[in-house]
Amino acid sequence: ETGVTQTPRHLVMGMTNKKSLKCEQHLGHNAMYWYKQSAKKPLELMFVYNFKEQTENNSVPSRFSPECPNSSHLFLHLHTLQPEDSALYLCASSQDLEGAVVGPQHFGDGTRLSIL
Amino acid sequence: GQNIDQPTEMTATEGAIVQINCTYQTSGFNGLFWYQQHAGEAPTFLSYNVLDGLEEKGRFSSFLSRSKGYSYLLLKELQMKDSASYLCAATDSNYQLIWGAGTKLIIKP
Repeated sequence: ETGVTQTPRHLVMGMTNKKSLKCEQHLGHNAMYWYKQSAKKPLELMFVYNFKEQTENNSVPSRFSPECPNSSHLFLHLHTLQPEDSALYLCASSQDLEGAVVGPQHFGDGTRLSIL
Repeated sequence: GQNIDQPTEMTATEGAIVQINCTYQTSGFNGLFWYQQHAGEAPTFLSYNVLDGLEEKGRFSSFLSRSKGYSYLLLKELQMKDSASYLCAATDSNYQLIWGAGTKLIIKP
């Protein structure tokens, strides 16, 4: 059991659709992350939330919109995506110190996203 | 710029030892993580080094040299289940993680 649950595991959508990815952590952590993982590339940090406040947005296109209603839940809202957005989207949580990564991150199994 | 380098792929034999190297260039340094990721699964934490030297955890050990910007993950008595990708990540002066692309390790009988 990872302690971080992501749904759905797989998602196929057209470029005009709107969908949301969901992440829930049961570890009592204070920080949550969205990453994009493409084949043979480093993990790309997309968004960071610390104590429900967004502390980082790494120049992610506006077609990706995060939402963090509380410290246990994180969403990634998707709309009008492009084929190059097809990737594995990973959610992670950790116990951070004022925005500093000081502990290991715990990952969910990810959502495999395919854009038609 | 900030950069993490690790080999793309390595092959080893069951029962043998393999060393996966990682070099990093970051603005400041506050520690290095190793993660394991099986295909289709979440990355899982293996080790964390902040001081020079070797940290041993069962069959897995991790080494760090801060002066050389270098780390390695050593896997002993390899098992088929060790076939996975191994991700190296360094924290910079702002305690943000910089990730490598991962090393895919293939174990052959």
